[in-house]
Amino acid sequence: EVHLVESGGGLVQPGGSLRLSCAASGFTFISYWMHWVRQAPGKGLVWVSRINSDGSSTTYADSVKGRFTISRDNARNTLYLQMNSLRAEDTAVYYCAKGIGLDYWGQGTLVTVSS
Amino acid sequence: NFMLTQPHSVSESPGKTVTISCTRSSGSVASNYVQWYQQRPGSAPTTVIFEDNQRPSGVPDRFSGSIDSSYKSASLTISGLKTEDEADYYCQSYDSSNVVFGGGTKLTVL
Repeated sequence: EVHLVESGGGLVQPGGSLRLSCAASGFTFISYWMHWVRQAPGKGLVWVSRINSDGSSTTYADSVKGRFTISRDNARNTLYLQMNSLRAEDTAVYYCAKGIGLDYWGQGTLVTVSS
Repeated sequence: NFMLTQPHSVSESPGKTVTISCTRSSGSVASNYVQWYQQRPGSAPTTVIFEDNQRPSGVPDRFSGSIDSSYKSASLTISGLKTEDEADYYCQSYDSSNVVFGGGTKLTVL
């Protein structure tokens, strides 16, 4: 059974940094693209970033380009999102999702950017 | 970049059929697969349709997806509505550099 478990969220001040992790199990992690998607409170889903299976190619939404970095450790079956220069508008639940078609999602981790 | 536009909300009675549209602003809806996700309050999204019209195992055949390339739109149809279908539904597609979600449609079954 596919399992994705996000961690690393919390309260951070504007301008601060956080690193999110997504632990994957139940599938061959190294074979799949992975994504981060976020959802601000009461709002819709917004794609953040994606990474190909071996980590050699990454893409970002314009809103996070230059501030966020997606990476993966295929030996540890773990996806990461390094978030720097955080802003209030980055406050959201962050989900990781598996595959080009985002077929499985984790339960999400809440990031709150506030002073 | 393109956008996907969905109706903000739809409502229908139990047992009836409802269709949710998803219109692509530029480019052909047929050029990249469309997925549909269901999100119940307080829960993560789950896939109900992938690759335009494919159902994951465990999703009832009351859920179906289609695309109409002439109208640049995709649709999610739910037949035999049940109260448990009440949720937010999102369409999603992509191109070479972006992944795009529709704004979501709140389905009320009353």
